[in-house]
Amino acid sequence: GEDVEQSLFLSVREGDSSVINCTYTDSSSTYLYWYKQEPGAGLQLLTYIFSNMDMKQDQRLTVLLNKKDKHLSLRIADTQTGDSAIYFCAEKGGGSNYKLTFGKGTLLTVNP
Amino acid sequence: GAVVSQHPSRVICKSGTSVKIECRSLDFQATTMFWYRQFPKKSLMLMATSNEGSKATYEQGVEKDKFLINHASLTLSTLTVTSAHPEDSSFYICSARAGTGLETQYFGPGTRLLVL
Repeated sequence: GEDVEQSLFLSVREGDSSVINCTYTDSSSTYLYWYKQEPGAGLQLLTYIFSNMDMKQDQRLTVLLNKKDKHLSLRIADTQTGDSAIYFCAEKGGGSNYKLTFGKGTLLTVNP
Repeated sequence: GAVVSQHPSRVICKSGTSVKIECRSLDFQATTMFWYRQFPKKSLMLMATSNEGSKATYEQGVEKDKFLINHASLTLSTLTVTSAHPEDSSFYICSARAGTGLETQYFGPGTRLLVL
């Protein structure tokens, strides 16, 4: 079945850039997403990218997609302590069932 | 943006009782809702997909008689954990898809269930 992999931890200093990486196996992926989860809360959609795009920028967030390598990354510029959270990569495959496959999440810790 | 609510946010119940969790889309009509379970330090596990007016589709290994799903309207889906046991303790999260062509799921804040 489909699989999504992420590194589990990332620690950065406040003001630095953070880059969270994700790889997936489903070659028929149509949409790829980044969600943020703060402790005890649900998931907040940060951004998404359609599979025929290779980059999307939204304020401090930059998503890069290498479809050939099935590699997705999320770059957060000028990382702040409020960015500390778990970040989930998710992909939606082809077909009409709208199911998302999630990675295990990357815990981003921002140190002052 | 689209808002999804869940109620209750936390529930503690005795073993053997049933618990109902509500998921509502507040400012859009959700043609499809999803129920996930999240274990500590683990990813989200899709339990079932719920389409308004039809039976839910359960993922492999999820007991449909244990986790009853009712998608009563375009803004409400409920998950009932029947005869709950301590191993059912978990964080349950719902999401809703607007069905407007934008393939985005909006998530509720989650419900923490503790079965004693």
